Amino acid sequence: NAGVTQTPKFQVLKTGQSMTLQCAQDMNHEYMSWYRQDPGMGLRLIHYSVGAGITDQGEVPNGYNVSRSTTEDFPLRLLSAAPSQTSVYFCASSYDRYSNQPQHFGDGTRLSIL
Amino acid sequence: GDSVTQMEGPVTLSEEAFLTINCTYTATGYPSLFWYVQYPGEGLQLLLKATKADDKGSNKGFEATYRKETTSFHLEKGSVQVSDSAVYFCALRVNNNDMRFGAGTRLTVKP
Repeated sequence: NAGVTQTPKFQVLKTGQSMTLQCAQDMNHEYMSWYRQDPGMGLRLIHYSVGAGITDQGEVPNGYNVSRSTTEDFPLRLLSAAPSQTSVYFCASSYDRYSNQPQHFGDGTRLSIL
Repeated sequence: GDSVTQMEGPVTLSEEAFLTINCTYTATGYPSLFWYVQYPGEGLQLLLKATKADDKGSNKGFEATYRKETTSFHLEKGSVQVSDSAVYFCALRVNNNDMRFGAGTRLTVKP
């Protein structure tokens, strides 16, 4: 089972560049989310989606856009990269948004902004 | 709002030592509680969960009991191994809300 697949695994960008982090899941999960992980801060929610065509902001949405055109895919776009966006990014999915559903995580994308 | 507080690390133990990682929570509803583990270079993996008060989650020798009276979900293992070295995250989720994570506790087990 592939689960949640993230690409690329590593990326270095220059300030001001844009890029898209890809996330795909093959579990037919309705709920998908993007987190960033920074030292000492745990995981912070960037954006999430409760189904195709529906997205919403999380705790730290500024500088990021998302879309959900299919159930499987949930890309994260950095519009104009800044050094403060250097982080490890995780995509996650769950069957739905109810409390007893754990999330399944990808292996992460390590992003450095120079 | 909903939040999780877990003990700061790092925690360093010798092999076969007893492990406790404290986790307390604040929630407006009735949360489910989770422990996730992250090995180096990997994503988070679900370790165990409990969905109601007094439930005990267990997996791979790890246990945690959902204590509503103390709003806690402490992670325990009776005898740790070197392979348990990882970062452990406590998390909660309330219906129709997003998952909230603690800051993570890094565990290092030495032979």
